[in-house]
Amino acid sequence: DAGVTQSPTHLIKTRGQHVTLRCSPISGHKSVSWYQQVLGQGPQFIFQYYEKEERGRGNFPDRFSARQFPNYSSELNVNALLLGDSALYLCASSPWVAGGQEQYFGPGTRLTVT
Amino acid sequence: AQSVTQLDSQVPVFEEAPVELRCNYSSSVSVYLFWYVQYPNQGLQLLLKYLSGSTLVESINGFEAEFNKSQTSFHLRKPSVHISDTAEYFCAVRENTGFQKLVFGTGTRLLVSP
Repeated sequence: DAGVTQSPTHLIKTRGQHVTLRCSPISGHKSVSWYQQVLGQGPQFIFQYYEKEERGRGNFPDRFSARQFPNYSSELNVNALLLGDSALYLCASSPWVAGGQEQYFGPGTRLTVT
Repeated sequence: AQSVTQLDSQVPVFEEAPVELRCNYSSSVSVYLFWYVQYPNQGLQLLLKYLSGSTLVESINGFEAEFNKSQTSFHLRKPSVHISDTAEYFCAVRENTGFQKLVFGTGTRLLVSP
């Protein structure tokens, strides 16, 4: 079975632009979470979606938004990009919204803002 | 709120030597504990997890970690490392209720040399 997939792999944007990152969870997984990993740091939680509803939000500005589609894939949108948004954006999927189930991470999207 | 401290940013070690990567956490509620490994230009892979029960947990590739509630620690150990263990290791915690927000430490880079 395919793991979590993310697209694009890399992209370069200019300050002030908007970006959309995409994630496809493992088949059968209904929960998708997004994390931001700045170089040299551990990942920071951005959002969790389950059954198309937001179930958790981290300490990120309103420029960050996300949604989940009926097929459980997800998009992360970032508006008015800042240099500090340069990071590896990781998507993780799991079968449920809570409990001790493992979250499976994708390879990430490397965003560079110039 | 939870927090995770990984005191060692980098641990150099020779092949076949033992290693311990330290992790301390802080939380006002019960938590699940995780160790993830990240190889260059890849996403995160779960190495092992503590949910409940036996405080000593093991992975299939020789790593083990012990949950110590009194010291709020979850140190990772391996009795004999290989060159292929060179990677970034992240300790993470998650509340055992609510949504699946992982809180990560800043990571420890394990450098194994011949």
